[in-house]
Amino acid sequence: NAGVTQTPKFRILKIGQSMTLQCTQDMNHNYMYWYRQDPGMGLKLIYYSVGAGITDKGEVPNGYNVSRSTTEDFPLRLELAAPSQTSVYFCASKYMNTEAFFGQGTRLTVV
Amino acid sequence: RKEVEQDPGPFNVPEGATVAFNCTYSNSASQSFFWYRQDCRKEPKLLMSVYSSGNEDGRFTAQLNRASQYISLLIRDSKLSDSATYLCVVNITFTGAGSYQLTFGKGTKLSVIP
Repeated sequence: NAGVTQTPKFRILKIGQSMTLQCTQDMNHNYMYWYRQDPGMGLKLIYYSVGAGITDKGEVPNGYNVSRSTTEDFPLRLELAAPSQTSVYFCASKYMNTEAFFGQGTRLTVV
Repeated sequence: RKEVEQDPGPFNVPEGATVAFNCTYSNSASQSFFWYRQDCRKEPKLLMSVYSSGNEDGRFTAQLNRASQYISLLIRDSKLSDSATYLCVVNITFTGAGSYQLTFGKGTKLSVIP
């Protein structure tokens, strides 16, 4: 049982480039989340999904997009990368009001 | 008022000490409660769920007071390996939407000193 898998683990982007952060879970969880965490700071919610085909914005959605075509996958798209998007990105999933499981994170640097 | 508030920290304690973390939440529709641990540059991991009756796991004890909307975590006999950031997490139910939203506190950093 792999849990929540994020790829890549590390990435360096140039300003203006685009990329997709992948997140897959094999626990049949209905809720999935994307967070970013800047150094020394708390988690900030970017987007979340309550099930396949349903997504909604969190507190910091600007510059990002998501899709949820299947229960398992919740990719995060960065368009026109900016230095302000340098951060660690965590994907998480859960079932209803139970505990959330996190992926190992993607460390993104925009230069 | 923030939905989930924690002690600002940091807490620097000697090995063997007992340390307590407190957390308050503002939304009475909160359904379930957790403490997570986050090591430096790692993902948050579940430490323990928190139940109304209180629960214990080895050196860790969690308490929930729904009337006061207050959650606590007690760590006894602190070890060097307990050094981490501890996150208070609340699942809030939005009626009608059938939605359970996770809300995280900002975390309290603990450093256990030899």
